[in-house]
Amino acid sequence: TVMTQSPDTLSVSPGERATLSCRASQNIGSNLAWYQQKVGQAPRLLIYDVSTRATGIPARFSGSGSGTEFTLTISSLQSEDFAVYYCQHYYKWPPITFGQGTRLDIK
Amino acid sequence: QVQLVESGGGLVKPGGSLRLSCAVSGFTFNDHYMSWIRQAPGKGLEWLSYSSSGGIYRNYADSVRGRFTISRDSANNSLLLQMTSLTVEDTAVYYCARQTLKGAAFDYWGQGTVVTVSS
Repeated sequence: TVMTQSPDTLSVSPGERATLSCRASQNIGSNLAWYQQKVGQAPRLLIYDVSTRATGIPARFSGSGSGTEFTLTISSLQSEDFAVYYCQHYYKWPPITFGQGTRLDIK
Repeated sequence: QVQLVESGGGLVKPGGSLRLSCAVSGFTFNDHYMSWIRQAPGKGLEWLSYSSSGGIYRNYADSVRGRFTISRDSANNSLLLQMTSLTVEDTAVYYCARQTLKGAAFDYWGQGTVVTVSS
């Protein structure tokens, strides 16, 4: 299953909403996670099972979608949210695949 | 608290071998599936291999099957990755990650260990 994220880069101002997309090449049901990665750090799990926030993740992060189309929304961007975001499927794994990433930049 | 600490990375020549370790603490190691994931410089994340809870089942990405071997040292709460026939394309940061109890999201990651394959 190929995971394709869009856009590759998204420029948003602090306080605004960011919407990141992830498309699967086949129906993956609800088997989708989102990660945030900052420069020089390991990825951090944000969302799993499409819409369940991981422990300690602020409510401004939300996930939605099903089947092949998924969205990560950050409702009001904070300075610490500017990073690279990856989606990952785990439908009938292995293998497990990640999207290529969306870089979220400060506008 | 949950901790994963990788070690064993370094510089190796093409065709060489390396063994990575991931020492875990703060949870019951054999309750969780564990995986190795890598990230080449400036690139995205690539899942490599998993070990089932208890270590009975394992599988690999096509890119490393036959060259890499995952295993567990349960006595020392460690996940291992034996890497052989290394090529320059294996240059990356290697992460171990814990999988959630249901599904296969990765809820905890180590800080990574750098493997550089170069002559």
